[in-house]
Amino acid sequence: QSVLTQPPSVSGAPGQRVTISCTGSSSNIGAGYDVHWYQQLPGTAPKLLIYGNSNRPSGVPDRFSGSKSGTSASLAITGLQAEDEADYYCQSYDSSPNYVFGTGTKVTVL
Amino acid sequence: QVTLKESGPALVKPTQTLTLTCTFSGFSLSTSGMRVSWIRQPPGKALEWLARIDWDDDKFYSTSLKTRLTISKDTSKNQVVLTMTNMDPVDTATYYCARIGIRNSVDYWGQGTLVTVSS
Repeated sequence: QSVLTQPPSVSGAPGQRVTISCTGSSSNIGAGYDVHWYQQLPGTAPKLLIYGNSNRPSGVPDRFSGSKSGTSASLAITGLQAEDEADYYCQSYDSSPNYVFGTGTKVTVL
Repeated sequence: QVTLKESGPALVKPTQTLTLTCTFSGFSLSTSGMRVSWIRQPPGKALEWLARIDWDDDKFYSTSLKTRLTISKDTSKNQVVLTMTNMDPVDTATYYCARIGIRNSVDYWGQGTLVTVSS
């Protein structure tokens, strides 16, 4: 029962830019809690891609960027590469406390 | 280098209790600010947070599952244990142990362990 809504899929040709939206509510993203993004390659555990709305951990290419506004957030991938084909999840927090995840988006490189 | 690894049964019967152990290295749960969570993912579905235990032994549970979950730690062994009672086929999932990092992100994940609930 995911609390954050993402598009099921997005696709793009190599080199293109794609964006993934993450829509929450006033009890999580809209309450000022940070949004984080994870990349999950097939058959592997998720990997932290963006933390604190727009920060990249060491080793994550600068092709990945994040932003947040109001009750929503976005992940952008510029210069799409074949190795970016994966599932992507957003995550935030509410005051229960509760860690809430997105529904997940499959990125396909055409 | 931070690592986490889950262990436990691959198959449990309906109504049984599941016990999973997370063994980690590269940090200590006795260090102020350290927190470890369990997260699960049914096959082909999204991630779901289950529980968290903190360095000071504070414990937090998913609202929807709190009556079935218990989380505990053994600091001397660098282990965190999760028990889930009254297992049901809908609980079939890969269960991940993970460290909670900066600003409530999940900065390190275990490889996950698939638990199937079936008679």
